[in-house]
Amino acid sequence: AQKVTQAQTEISVVEKEDVTLDCVYETRDTTYYLFWYKQPPSGELVFLIRRNSFDEQNEISGRYSWNFQKSTSSFNFTITASQVVDSAVYFCALSDQTGANNLFFGTGTRLTVIP
Amino acid sequence: DAGITQSPRHKVTETGTPVTLRCHQTENHRYMYWYRQDPGHGLRLIHYSYGVKDTDKGEVSDGYSVSRSKTEDFLLTLESATSSQTSVYFCAIRPGLAPATDTQYFGPGTRLTVL
Repeated sequence: AQKVTQAQTEISVVEKEDVTLDCVYETRDTTYYLFWYKQPPSGELVFLIRRNSFDEQNEISGRYSWNFQKSTSSFNFTITASQVVDSAVYFCALSDQTGANNLFFGTGTRLTVIP
Repeated sequence: DAGITQSPRHKVTETGTPVTLRCHQTENHRYMYWYRQDPGHGLRLIHYSYGVKDTDKGEVSDGYSVSRSKTEDFLLTLESATSSQTSVYFCAIRPGLAPATDTQYFGPGTRLTVL
């Protein structure tokens, strides 16, 4: 069965600091996808990134970057120069190999950026 | 915007009453999903559908049923609501066309309170 662990329940940083959100996963599948979603205080779930198990290249999108390491089963998310608008709950998720590609979520990390 | 709406957005009901939540999509996506979000659990899959009249159970399906008689609508029913079903319910779709065929996009959520 798929399992995702986000050990950091809550993180607080001061604006402009860098912050890394950790995600560790467990799976026996050889093919899978990993995701990050953002849930701002307004409550909606916003897709941030998808990474497949064959692509270990790091990804950078503006102030966001992701580090995928199969050797440690981790898919960590770094926000550089954090801003107040980054305050949200961030979820890491792992898909299964069924045709439905069901998602298994971690429990989320609540990030608070203090101005 | 993935064209997903959920109704109602908020509902308060009493234990033992039936409740139906509706998810509506406008883009004929094949896959639709229902999740519940609870503190300390992240999001957990209740049921999913891979076509009209084709549905299957997820991780936490007990006490829930679903129906999909049209491509655009996926209904979640609590036959006899219990207080443990107080939660925020999210519907999701997964596009069938590349490149985002493995990414789920979420509706705005329904907050259900069972008294």
